[in-house]
Amino acid sequence: NAGVTQTPKFQVLKTGQSMTLQCAQDMNHNSMYWYRQDPGMGLRLIYYSASEGTTDKGEVPNGYNVSRLNKREFSLRLESAAPSQTSVYFCASSGDFYNEQFFGPGTRLTVL
Amino acid sequence: AQSVTQPDIHITVSEGASLELRCNYSYGATPYLFWYVQSPGQGLQLLLKYFSGDTLVQGIKGFEAEFKRSQSSFNLRKPSVHWSDAAEYFCAVGLRRNDMRFGAGTRLTVKP
Repeated sequence: NAGVTQTPKFQVLKTGQSMTLQCAQDMNHNSMYWYRQDPGMGLRLIYYSASEGTTDKGEVPNGYNVSRLNKREFSLRLESAAPSQTSVYFCASSGDFYNEQFFGPGTRLTVL
Repeated sequence: AQSVTQPDIHITVSEGASLELRCNYSYGATPYLFWYVQSPGQGLQLLLKYFSGDTLVQGIKGFEAEFKRSQSSFNLRKPSVHWSDAAEYFCAVGLRRNDMRFGAGTRLTVKP
């Protein structure tokens, strides 16, 4: 039982490049989330998926797209990376909103 | 607009001393309330949560939190801090999946 896994752990991009962050959970959770963490700002919700086949914007969705590929997987895509997207990205999952969210180990992304 | 404030960016306590981390929120209604802990290089782990009922909530690792509606606060406490408690602590509030708000975090240093 791996919980929530994220790949890659680290990534360096040049401005304008694209990439996809992968997330998978093995807890049969309905809800999945993508957050970014910046110093002094806590975590901010980018997108979430309440169930397979649905996705919705969070607090800071601009510049990102997501795909809920199936119940296990929820990917985050940066189509044209910008330095402002330098951050640590966390994926999380939960059974229901009011239940505990389980977090992955994070992806540290640097955009030059 | 909803918001969460953790007034203390950094707190240092001696091992064995008591601890209180503050969290204040601004919300239209009483939200769900959470405390998470993040060890260096790790994802977040839930310490405790409050939805309704008894305003004193017990969590893991000996932590507790008290909800005070009149003060819009949800402060985290521990009677005796251990060196392993050194980490960053986040308060989070929300009523729905898409409005979870995390505080900026309080970094705890434990002195021997």
